[in-house]
Amino acid sequence: SYELTQPPSVSVSPGQTASITCSADKLDNKYVCWYHQKPGQSPVLILYQDNKRPSGIPERFSGSKSGNTAILTISGTQAMDEADYYCQAWDRRTAFFGSGTKVTVL
Amino acid sequence: QVQLQESGPGLVKPSETLSLTCTVSGGSVSSVGYYWSWIRQPPGKGLEWIGYISYSGNTNYNPSLESRVTISVDASTNQFSLKLNSVTAADTAVYYCARRAGLLSPFDYWGQGTLVTVSS
Repeated sequence: SYELTQPPSVSVSPGQTASITCSADKLDNKYVCWYHQKPGQSPVLILYQDNKRPSGIPERFSGSKSGNTAILTISGTQAMDEADYYCQAWDRRTAFFGSGTKVTVL
Repeated sequence: QVQLQESGPGLVKPSETLSLTCTVSGGSVSSVGYYWSWIRQPPGKGLEWIGYISYSGNTNYNPSLESRVTISVDASTNQFSLKLNSVTAADTAVYYCARRAGLLSPFDYWGQGTLVTVSS
């Protein structure tokens, strides 16, 4: 089984920058996607192919990858960004999700 | 705009078969290049991919569930379905259907999810 490791929680003040890491073996040769999920709602795709934003996703969401760690950055965090965030990658035609990071905007 | 909607029983008894259907609107399950997946989320926990069926009917399942899962498609009704055999309480989860526009593409459209509880 392929494991994607995320921190359980991240806290950020409004207007500040939040960074969420996602680490896994050989992640440098895989594409990473990111989703956010608010309580009672379905996950929403916010980044794909490491750093591409789907239409309608604000520019404050950005992604990067260095070695075996992918990073989701939320710049100028807003109260509406409070949610669970999941990274996702494919390994041998199987989709794996990270364990999720709860972002709290204090 | 593609929309996906899950339907099926909300309560299943232990050892029985969980059956869910996903109805697709605004797109065709037979459209070349698209993949249709099931993903689940136990209450308070993270996401687990169950498997997919492709536009051509090819399937691929999570190895951890492969022995109990069948995903099928019905092009005439524009639906795809999930069957999970021999369920236990550990299969209690919100079940989502989702679409991918390519083999290694992200899940770009999701259904609203349906809670299935396994209990006698």
